[in-house]
Amino acid sequence: EVQLVESAGGLVQPGGSLSLSCAASGFTFSSYDMSWVRQVPGKGLEWVSTISDNSGSTYYADSVRGRFTISRDNSKNTLYLQMNSLRAEDTAIYYCARKDIAMQNFDYWGQGTLVTVSS
Amino acid sequence: EIVLTQSPGTLSLSPGEGATLSCRASQSVSSNYLAWYQQKPGQAPRLLIYGASSRATGIPDKFSGSGSGTDFTLTISRLEPEDFAVYYCQQYGGSSRTFGQGTKVEVK
Repeated sequence: EVQLVESAGGLVQPGGSLSLSCAASGFTFSSYDMSWVRQVPGKGLEWVSTISDNSGSTYYADSVRGRFTISRDNSKNTLYLQMNSLRAEDTAIYYCARKDIAMQNFDYWGQGTLVTVSS
Repeated sequence: EIVLTQSPGTLSLSPGEGATLSCRASQSVSSNYLAWYQQKPGQAPRLLIYGASSRATGIPDKFSGSGSGTDFTLTISRLEPEDFAVYYCQQYGGSSRTFGQGTKVEVK
């Protein structure tokens, strides 16, 4: 069974940093591109970032480029998101998602973790 | 960036009725790269349709997707209580991915 489990989020002050992780199991992690998608509570979904299976390519939404860094450790089956210079508008539930191996959709999602940026 | 506009924003229907949800793109989207998701309160999104018309694993045939170019449709037949949720379309283009703003299907 595919499982994606995000680490706990938390409360961080504006301008601060936070790192999220996502532990994957039930599939060959190193064969899949992985992504982060976020959702302001009660609002819609926003793609944040994607990393290729071998970390060779990374992609970011304009809203986070230069502030967030996606990475992965295939030996630990873990995906990461380093978030720096956080803003109030980064407050959201962050989901880890697996990208379909052949298509461009997200076929499995974690349960999400809430990140709150506030003073 | 391709913008996806979903309509209507809210669809009020009774159990047993059918639903037709629209997703319109600001530029042409490859059919291979159009997906639909269902999200219930407090839950992560669930993939329903990929490649515009292919059902994901375990998704019943009451859900069907169609369309091409800039106009895509998700059709749900015979709504059951568990189908009342928010539905999002999503596209991929130019290394970027965007979602529509969602259509809420609520009980009338």
